[in-house]
This record gives sequence, structure tokens and C-alpha cells, in this order.
Amino acid sequence: DAKTTQPTSMDCAEGRAANLPCNHSTISGNEYVYWYRQIHSQGPQYIIHGLKNNETNEMASLIITEDRKSSTLILPHATLRDTAVYYCIVRAATVSSASKIIFGSGTRLSIRP
Amino acid sequence: DAGVIQSPRHEVTEMGQEVTLRCKPISGHNSLFWYRQTMMRGLELLIYFNNNVPIDDSGMPEDRFSAKMPNASFSTLKIQPSEPRDSAVYFCASSGTGRRNYGYTFGSGTRLTVV
Repeated sequence: DAKTTQPTSMDCAEGRAANLPCNHSTISGNEYVYWYRQIHSQGPQYIIHGLKNNETNEMASLIITEDRKSSTLILPHATLRDTAVYYCIVRAATVSSASKIIFGSGTRLSIRP
Repeated sequence: DAGVIQSPRHEVTEMGQEVTLRCKPISGHNSLFWYRQTMMRGLELLIYFNNNVPIDDSGMPEDRFSAKMPNASFSTLKIQPSEPRDSAVYFCASSGTGRRNYGYTFGSGTRLTVV
């Protein structure tokens, strides 16, 4: 699986949009971009994933550049409960069987009141 | 849907004792993963199963660690004998396959302390 690079930490004011960047310059054509987050003392939580089109769900939006070498996770209206470590992961996804996810160091996002 | 269920939530044991961690995946999910998390090493994948068959156990630290999945609804991770350096939070996750099931669902973890 391709490696990713994320900033170690970021902060954002409550109510503002939090934009978390991720570089994955060696991504392959069949690899998806996944985002997970881990709130303190909990298991990681799936947020969103995408291949090449931008994606949106009830939690966040994912913007993938046209060359697919980087992406941005957007939390549109950050709240204190969004304080967590956010992991960007690149992973091949197949229909027949699940493949493993390797977690990096992630970005520690702090939301300030 | 009760999610991925792990037990116990906390385990304190003495060095040299056997420890067994348990995991019940989400019904219908056919892949199961065991991770370990420490401050120093972050989240490490230990082993994963597809359809109850171990696929990759390259992350298992040493022979003291073993994992089984006797059926689709249950898995165990055993440490024998345990050592203080095994102290960590152990997470189990499950995943389905197919175009709608690419995300993992993690359990709440087992916090293991070996004294």
C-alpha cells in the first residue's frame, strides 16, 4: 500500500471548517483513499473513502486532486467532539476479500472553543 | 447492530500468566483484524483473517502470541506467557466485502496491563 504524509498536528476554532491535508504521491490506480479518526480511548472510526471523485457523507467531505497525489478531509463545522487523531490511509480494495489497513501517525486535530 | 464486541475491557495480569482476549465481529462480516496500540509504536496490525482463515500474521511479535478464529462469529488472541512489554490496548476490527463494505468497524478495545 502507498504511504501517506500528514501534518503531525493542527488546530481549528469551533464552528469553523477543519481542513486536513494528506499527501499520497505514490498512490496506484486501484488504491482508494480512506480516512479514519480515533477519539481518545476509543477504537478508530471510519469516516469516508474515495477513489478519484469527491465524496461527501454526514460526517465529512473528501476532496481528491485530479492527479490523485493528495487529498483533503473537510469537517464543515468542527465541534469539540471532533478533537481526535485523524488517519489518512491508502489501500487497495477488492470485491472478493478485505485487505489490511496500515495506520501511520495521523494528524492530531484540536478544536478550540 | 451491537458492533464489534471485545472482552474483557480491562485485564491486569502478572508476568508469566496466560492472557486470552476475545472478539465477536459484526454478523455478516467475513474479515477480522487484530491490532495493538501503544504510545511508542502506534497502531500495529498483528494478524487478520478472511473467512476464518489467517491470511497475514507477519505482525505477530513472537511465538508467545497466537490467534484463532474457529467460526465466523468468534476470535481469540492469546498471549502465553505474558510479559510487561505486552501491555497495550488491543483492538479487534471486522469488515465485510463487496462495494458497500470497505470500511473497518473497530471494537472498544481491551486494555491489557502486565505487571
